[in-house]
Amino acid sequence: QQQVKQSPQSLIVQKGGISIINCAYENTAFDYFPWYQQFPGKGPALLIAIRPDVSEKKEGRFTISFNKSAKQFSLHIMDSQPGDSATYFCAASRDSSASKIIFGSGTRLSIRP
Amino acid sequence: GAVVSQHPSWVICKSGTSVKIECRSLDFQATTMFWYRQFPKQSLMLMATSNEGSKATYEQGVEKDKFLINHASLTLSTLTVTSAHPEDSSFYICSASDRGRSEQYFGPGTRLTVT
Repeated sequence: QQQVKQSPQSLIVQKGGISIINCAYENTAFDYFPWYQQFPGKGPALLIAIRPDVSEKKEGRFTISFNKSAKQFSLHIMDSQPGDSATYFCAASRDSSASKIIFGSGTRLSIRP
Repeated sequence: GAVVSQHPSWVICKSGTSVKIECRSLDFQATTMFWYRQFPKQSLMLMATSNEGSKATYEQGVEKDKFLINHASLTLSTLTVTSAHPEDSSFYICSASDRGRSEQYFGPGTRLTVT
């Protein structure tokens, strides 16, 4: 019930294309869903996050789509660039500063020039 | 804003020695700090959660006597790996959150190599 399942494990997209990463969760108590971007040898950086009261959130080229009934959410990266090549983690937690985050397994994204 | 630093960024130590890693929130008060370890090409594994002034809560399977966590102030938490062994070699990452906010901000990580 605590798991967050993430797919695909790796993804190759041409420059300018759309990158899509999908996640699913079981625990309906989760109400905060962040995405993190991690470059090799660095800590994860918060990219964008959504709460279940909205179905979509967009920040620049990054969009989260959220389907509460299906318990699924996804990250779309529009106009993907080589600089977007990184590992992306979806996550879920309770909406509280003291709540631990449950991470997905990660997606290694490569953008081909 | 919301910057978290870690020191050192990398450390090499001999088997049997202890190593201390510091995690600092630079521009906010971190009521809760989290410590993770990450093996190559794997996800982050939560080791423990600490709140300022109280004992850390360890995840199942994490030895609290081996991984000592101290959250002495609202801007500093330390992780001490005691009697380190080669299997403790990993990437250790801390994160911090501010009171009333769900966002966790991560440090840059510390690469520990035990020889």
